[in-house]
Amino acid sequence: AQKITQTQPGMFVQEKEAVTLDCTYDTSDPSYGLFWYKQPSSGEMIFLIYQGSYDQQNATEGRYSLNFQKARKSANLVISASQLGDSAMYFCAMREENSGYSTLTFGKGTMLLVSP
Amino acid sequence: DAGVIQSPRHEVTEMGQEVTLRCKPISGHNSLFWYRQTMMRGLELLIYFNNNVPIDDSGMPEDRFSAKMPNASFSTLKIQPSEPRDSAVYFCASSQLTGAASPLHFGNGTRLTVT
Repeated sequence: AQKITQTQPGMFVQEKEAVTLDCTYDTSDPSYGLFWYKQPSSGEMIFLIYQGSYDQQNATEGRYSLNFQKARKSANLVISASQLGDSAMYFCAMREENSGYSTLTFGKGTMLLVSP
Repeated sequence: DAGVIQSPRHEVTEMGQEVTLRCKPISGHNSLFWYRQTMMRGLELLIYFNNNVPIDDSGMPEDRFSAKMPNASFSTLKIQPSEPRDSAVYFCASSQLTGAASPLHFGNGTRLTVT
């Protein structure tokens, strides 16, 4: 079974609108961390936001926020006020306690295109 | 503060040749990871080191692949002999040793093309 599932291969959004990128995860560990990364066309992997399994509040970082629904095992990324520069591939990832937090498992990614 | 540094950025080689990819992690980071990214398989963990010691190399495709970390500031991933199916982007990443909250910081990757 996949540990991280991103069901949206591609998403389109107009500039200045908000967009939600879906991510569900599978783990039996009570302690884990969830991450989102951005990969623009230039290829680098950019860390965006982190959510811990015990965090009571949803994580926020500027225009990025994470809609964490623990019971549903979902960790959706919300980008507010989209900009053209947000066009990129977005990856959801998880680090689990049973691996000593050592490895990061990635989803397949969602391609986001922001149009003017 | 310099990020993770990988070299070369691009490598084109012929089948059968040896390829060596290099990585310098962020100073003070104790964990180092090698990932491979392809369209078909996405991002795959090949191997990771904690305190220069290989912990899990179950992701290494086969014996043609080997990785070393002789010290805290340098690691190599070697493919010998290379094959066309090894063509991919290879990322090195580093993080602090402990804590689920530690993100991996990635280098810019090495795009390998084996003809």
